[in-house]
Amino acid sequence: TQLLEQSPQFLSIQEGENLTVYCNSSSVFSSLQWYRQEPGEGPVLLVTVVTGGEVKKLKRLTFQFGDARKDSSLHITAAQPGDTGLYLCAGGGVLTGGGNKLTFGTGTQLKVEL
Amino acid sequence: ETGVTQSPTHLIKTRGQQVTLRCSSQSGHNTVSWYQQALGQGPQFIFQYYREEENGRGNFPPRFSGLQFPNYSSELNVNALELDDSALYLCTSSQTVGGYQETQYFGPGTRLLVL
Repeated sequence: TQLLEQSPQFLSIQEGENLTVYCNSSSVFSSLQWYRQEPGEGPVLLVTVVTGGEVKKLKRLTFQFGDARKDSSLHITAAQPGDTGLYLCAGGGVLTGGGNKLTFGTGTQLKVEL
Repeated sequence: ETGVTQSPTHLIKTRGQQVTLRCSSQSGHNTVSWYQQALGQGPQFIFQYYREEENGRGNFPPRFSGLQFPNYSSELNVNALELDDSALYLCTSSQTVGGYQETQYFGPGTRLLVL
């Protein structure tokens, strides 16, 4: 069974601070995705990384995929209250029928206060 | 706005009852997946449907069943509801072409409470 552990589980910071969220597994994934989910809504895809060592930037968010494709990190620079939400990492896996399923991490609940 | 809709938005049932949840996929998408998200946890994969056939299944008992219709919309049925079935049920919509499944888009979910 593939498992993804995220840390920290909860994070409460002040506006303007930087933070990093980690996503670790003992399994290799073909791809890794990061999502943000707000209360009462489904997860929204932020980024997909597929190559070991890959780094992607999305405005103030920087995503990194580990060289061995077992871990990833999300770094937010100068956090804003609008960044508040549940951040989820998800590893891609192939189904026997040929499709893909997502294995989600445990989630990191981020709260950014003024 | 992903174009994926789910109904109902909220539902309350009692233990032992049966429930049907619905998902309308984005126009042109032929693949639907269902996930269960318990409070405070990440979503867990239930199963996937591609062109009206089950394409793969997660670690859920047979009382969780599904259906995909010719217009690619889908239903999730849960029989003999248990208290632990209380969760947010999410569906995703995606396009699979030539064996390659593109990005999955999540619906807003159905919140199920079992009393």
